[in-house]
Amino acid sequence: EADIYQTPRYLVIGTGKKITLECSQTMGHDKMYWYQQDPGMELHLIHYSYGVNSTEKGDLSSESTVSRIRTEHFPLTLESARPSHTSQYLCASSTGGGELFFGEGSRLTVL
Amino acid sequence: QKEVEQNSGPLSVPEGAIASLNCTYSDRGSQSFFWYRQYSGKSPELIMFIYSNGDKEDGRFTAQLNKASQYVSLLIRDSQPSDSATYLCAVLVGDKLTFGTGTQLKVEL
Repeated sequence: EADIYQTPRYLVIGTGKKITLECSQTMGHDKMYWYQQDPGMELHLIHYSYGVNSTEKGDLSSESTVSRIRTEHFPLTLESARPSHTSQYLCASSTGGGELFFGEGSRLTVL
Repeated sequence: QKEVEQNSGPLSVPEGAIASLNCTYSDRGSQSFFWYRQYSGKSPELIMFIYSNGDKEDGRFTAQLNKASQYVSLLIRDSQPSDSATYLCAVLVGDKLTFGTGTQLKVEL
């Protein structure tokens, strides 16, 4: 069973607030990913990391930033949340290849 | 042309029938192919992968790959209501995994 955790699961916040979505995995995976998914829509890769101190932007442009200071931790930060950031954010990890283990997601609503 | 294409559905099948889900991809350098299942409001989970041409069976699931036609499919035998979900096809090229938009499957009683 995958051990990847996301907090908070649900967050409702006002415009202009800074938020950090946490993602941690206990599997020792080097590769970690952040996807954005609106209800009923496709997954969009917004950030990925292949190891400590390595981060890259994904296919979908995002105003969020990420950091990877420890192997197990890959937080995503929005400095100033806007209603357009309302979405579900999914964190995933893998050892490589296409076998991704997803967290349960963080559903963000910005009022 | 999208890199990975799937019919969004919904695909409706009666309980006990075979559900056939299809996916085409554009990059001939694609190496590996994956099927993820995503229940409504949940995260995707990997159910099958296939690397070589032909069929790969796992319980009620069979993945089929035809690299010449750039086509991968997932068959679900004896479909159950619990199979109702969105099925995402994903294709690996190098280090990049690209997901399709998914096909919604509804298994009706």
